[in-house]
Amino acid sequence: GNSVTQMEGPVTLSEEAFLTINCTYTATGYPSLFWYVQYPGEGLQLLLKATKADDKGSNKGFEATYRKETTSFHLEKGSVQVSDSAVYFCALNQAGTALIFGKGTTLSVSS
Amino acid sequence: NAGVMQNPRHLVRRRGQEARLRCSPMKGHSHVYWYRQLPEEGLKFMVYLQKENIIDESGMPKERFSAEFPKEGPSILRIQQVVRGDSAAYFCASSTGTSGSRSDTQYFGPGTRLTVL
Repeated sequence: GNSVTQMEGPVTLSEEAFLTINCTYTATGYPSLFWYVQYPGEGLQLLLKATKADDKGSNKGFEATYRKETTSFHLEKGSVQVSDSAVYFCALNQAGTALIFGKGTTLSVSS
Repeated sequence: NAGVMQNPRHLVRRRGQEARLRCSPMKGHSHVYWYRQLPEEGLKFMVYLQKENIIDESGMPKERFSAEFPKEGPSILRIQQVVRGDSAAYFCASSTGTSGSRSDTQYFGPGTRLTVL
């Protein structure tokens, strides 16, 4: 079946460090891919998405490229801030109904 | 444009009581999804509804759980005879359903955190 695997956390970085959170997926067709962010005590906010191979989603300095050949959608940011501390979820939508989520990666950024 | 609204934000119930969670989708959205987040886990899909129709309930437990999205008013997720294992955060999401199914973006509400004593 379809699934999403994210790197285990927590990820701890200093401010202005480079961030990569790995995400790989398994799907039978051509899913759309998403990154959501969850701040403490809040719901999920869409961070970025990509709907086909080689698409790059970007928002607020975050980027992720849909790589069909490696079935990956890694999240990157060149310089993280303390305010980026949150839980990040990778997700796919294959069939147009349920989003399938990874388990989430906690990012902690210190000043 | 108001986002997805959920209430209550926090709900405490004793074992055996009923929990009723409400979700109002974003304006213009006719598709609603419910997800459950257990502690230290990702979100798991429960049910997908359009107005007056359940489209996919493959993630919904067979007993005690039900959902509806009436023609008027919010979507309701109902849990009867709650047990401690039902304690979780329940999130509702909505979408327009018009941009193509798999690429349609789901927007999430703030969630209802259910605690069963």
